Amino acid sequence: DAKTTQPPSMDCAEGRAANLPCNHSTISGNEYVYWYRQIHSQGPQYIIHGLKNNETNEMASLIITEDRKSSTLILPHATLRDTAVYYCIVRPPNTGNQFYFGTGTSLTVIP
Amino acid sequence: DGGITQSPKYLFRKEGQNVTLSCEQNLNHDAMYWYRQDPGQGLRLIYYSQIVNDFQKGDIAEGYSVSREKKESFPLTVTSAQKNPTAFYLCASSGRLAGERVLTTDTQYFGPGTRLTVL
Repeated sequence: DAKTTQPPSMDCAEGRAANLPCNHSTISGNEYVYWYRQIHSQGPQYIIHGLKNNETNEMASLIITEDRKSSTLILPHATLRDTAVYYCIVRPPNTGNQFYFGTGTSLTVIP
Repeated sequence: DGGITQSPKYLFRKEGQNVTLSCEQNLNHDAMYWYRQDPGQGLRLIYYSQIVNDFQKGDIAEGYSVSREKKESFPLTVTSAQKNPTAFYLCASSGRLAGERVLTTDTQYFGPGTRLTVL
């Protein structure tokens, strides 16, 4: 699976948009970009995934650059409950195998 | 209400004892996984099962055992051979999303975790 690079920590003011970057310069053509988050002492929560088009759901938006070497997860109006560690993962589809979670970005939403 | 459940939430074990962690899912997913997470670190795969009565070792299987007798259940036994079992254990499953006729991606959905402490 392609390696990803994320900043270790970020702060965001409550009510503002949180933009979390992820670099994946060695991504292959069939690899998807997934985002999960983990609130302290809970299981990881799936947020969104995409291949090359931008994606949006009720939780977040995923913006993938045209060359697919980086992406940004956007939480449009951050709340205190969005404080968590956010993981960016790239992997090919339907491998039936593990997700490689690194250390992610620790996002703190500040009141 | 569909999802993955793990029990217990907290578990204490004396050294030398085996202990079994429960994982149940009612998502009708074929694949199930066990991960271990240590403080400040990412997840590491212990075992996974893509179908009933079949399972494969992950990166850190030593000292652990699993069974997959039913589609909805994938229990993990932490044996006395596991040298450092104190950790946060996470179970996940993957498969077709509701309404999908074809498996397009295998997004994994996680349970709430079991925190095991060896005394």
